[in-house]
Amino acid sequence: GAVVSQHPSWVICKSGTSVKIECRSLDFQATTMFWYRQFPKQSLMLMATSNEGSKATYEQGVEKDKFLINHASLTLSTLTVTSAHPEDSSFYICSAGGNNEQFFGPGTRLTVL
Amino acid sequence: QKEVEQDPGPLSVPEGAIVSLNCTYSNSAFQYFMWYRQYSRKGPELLMYTYSSGNKEDGRFTAQVDKSSKYISLFIRDSQPSDSATYLCAMSDGTGFQKLVFGTGTRLLVSP
Repeated sequence: GAVVSQHPSWVICKSGTSVKIECRSLDFQATTMFWYRQFPKQSLMLMATSNEGSKATYEQGVEKDKFLINHASLTLSTLTVTSAHPEDSSFYICSAGGNNEQFFGPGTRLTVL
Repeated sequence: QKEVEQDPGPLSVPEGAIVSLNCTYSNSAFQYFMWYRQYSRKGPELLMYTYSSGNKEDGRFTAQVDKSSKYISLFIRDSQPSDSATYLCAMSDGTGFQKLVFGTGTRLLVSP
């Protein structure tokens, strides 16, 4: 299957700072990328869908001004958690693909102190 | 009520056992049903997917969907220690793989 990478794999930051997470499709061009969040013992929850060159579509309850998504190229999407707080600590995972399959990255563990 | 319910486990079985993993769901609009396997510190990888009701077999894995009961299953025959992982069910409506709703995942441990 296709390979999707994420960077960093884990990050610890202070409350109030912003954190950027990168998602790259390494061997294919992804017009659509998805961002998920997973809290301990809970399901992967879709946060937003991003299409290359256009604004992301956010799921209900996800603050678009807090979770900034940029999908500037067919191989790179970024998620920036602005003014992070301890309640934003979670596992963030991206996927790339479309109608036929989604290929998932390995995830980023964010801890906000 | 969650849209998709899945027992988190862990489920411990000896090598060679038949494993049954299950999910129930509440949204009757779901038409696509997927099973993903996730190893520690890795992203989920697609094992199988089924459209609508019925069975699908791939090697040691069999997926079953019963839409009338809103119940899906994944069976693993002749389980191996390498099958030890978290298994997530996921579903979507007519959008296919676009908007997936996941279960919490079941952690499976296969002991040699």
